[in-house]
Amino acid sequence: DQQVKQNSPSLSVQEGRISILNCDYTNSMFDYFLWYKKYPAEGPTFLISISSIKDKNEDGRFTVFLNKSAKHLSLHIVPSQPGDSAVYFCAASGAGGYQKVTFGTGTKLQVIP
Amino acid sequence: DSGVTQTPKHLITATGQRVTLRCSPRSGDLSVYWYQQSLDQGLQFLIQYYNGEERAKGNILERFSAQQFPDLHSELNLSSLELGDSALYFCASSVAGTPNEKLFFGSGTQLSVL
Repeated sequence: DQQVKQNSPSLSVQEGRISILNCDYTNSMFDYFLWYKKYPAEGPTFLISISSIKDKNEDGRFTVFLNKSAKHLSLHIVPSQPGDSAVYFCAASGAGGYQKVTFGTGTKLQVIP
Repeated sequence: DSGVTQTPKHLITATGQRVTLRCSPRSGDLSVYWYQQSLDQGLQFLIQYYNGEERAKGNILERFSAQQFPDLHSELNLSSLELGDSALYFCASSVAGTPNEKLFFGSGTQLSVL
């Protein structure tokens, strides 16, 4: 039962353009969402997060949007840079019995120079 | 460098064997998490410890066990290994082990069961 889904395994974007990575979740008990970036041969590193009380959070070139009614979130990277090429994981957590952080399967982003 | 240390980086073993993966959390972090990443799979949560006590359990097989020691390092023990256990195993740590904390990951242990 994949409660956090990233339906696009890969994405290619030209340098300077916008990258949009999508994530859907099924469990309405999730109330906190995070994005992690992973380079080859390294562990994931935290990128940005958003609480369910917000619909947008911005940090430099990275913005996360949350649509609770659609159970959908997206990560926007503007402008995209070659160094952004990595696998991006969406993750979700919640209170009560959903304290564990649940990860999606990841989207591999390639930014073409 | 996340500050989380995992050893060994690579492990090759045979079916039926037992292995131990080790994790040292970041200085000051009390909580340790174990995740498994199989081919084309996301990070599957296995288990979480906080200050030596088990806090949350995920889809961890009965053949697998873990513990967190008084010095806060953790070990994941995998026994009666099967081919399907081949995966990348990540350890992560956080300060307080609360759901909304960001996790700091080690670089993983690549386990190959032949």
